[in-house]
Amino acid sequence: ETGVTQSPTHLIKTRGQQVTLRCSSQSGHNTVSWYQQALGQGPQFIFQYYREEENGRGNFPPRFSGLQFPNYSSELNVNALELDDSALYLCASSLAGPNYEQYFGPGTRLTVT
Amino acid sequence: GQQVMQIPQYQHVQEGEDFTTYCNSSTTLSNIQWYKQRPGGHPVFLIQLVKSGEVKKQKRLTFQFGEAKKNSSLHITATQTTDVGTYFCAGPSGGSNYKLTFGKGTLLTVNP
Repeated sequence: ETGVTQSPTHLIKTRGQQVTLRCSSQSGHNTVSWYQQALGQGPQFIFQYYREEENGRGNFPPRFSGLQFPNYSSELNVNALELDDSALYLCASSLAGPNYEQYFGPGTRLTVT
Repeated sequence: GQQVMQIPQYQHVQEGEDFTTYCNSSTTLSNIQWYKQRPGGHPVFLIQLVKSGEVKKQKRLTFQFGEAKKNSSLHITATQTTDVGTYFCAGPSGGSNYKLTFGKGTLLTVNP
């Protein structure tokens, strides 16, 4: 059974640039959620995808967007990067529904300068 | 919106001492989940509680879900250096079945 993988591990971008982060779900999981974790904080829900459709969204602006592919892998895109976007971005896969635990990937550390 | 609060924010103990972290939600939860994040790592699922008043044990860890399903606790007996990390509670946001709201976590450090 393959776990959740994310790429890249680390990324440095300049303010105003765009970034794409990638995630491969755990085998058998059909739902992927993205979280932003600032230093010393808990993960903040960005959005969730189920069957290639956005299934819900947290309090993040539209410049945060995503995709889920037929093989359940996913992308997080962030446009017009701001300094406050510097954080650890976590992808988590699960089965659908509120009672299923999230399996997190190792994350992508994004630094915006 | 829903808020999930955890106390304490930090806890430093001597190895062998007990540790407890508390979690409170502003709304009733359908379930509560606990995760552990080691320094430099990612959150790892520990357990889920669903029933009012539920108590579950995993070796030295005891998890409780309050009768009103708005609070929870994690108790570790006789801490070990391997227990070091941040413990998060998380619950589905009221009215949704997808958004998981995490607390800010409790960072546990253990002095050997």
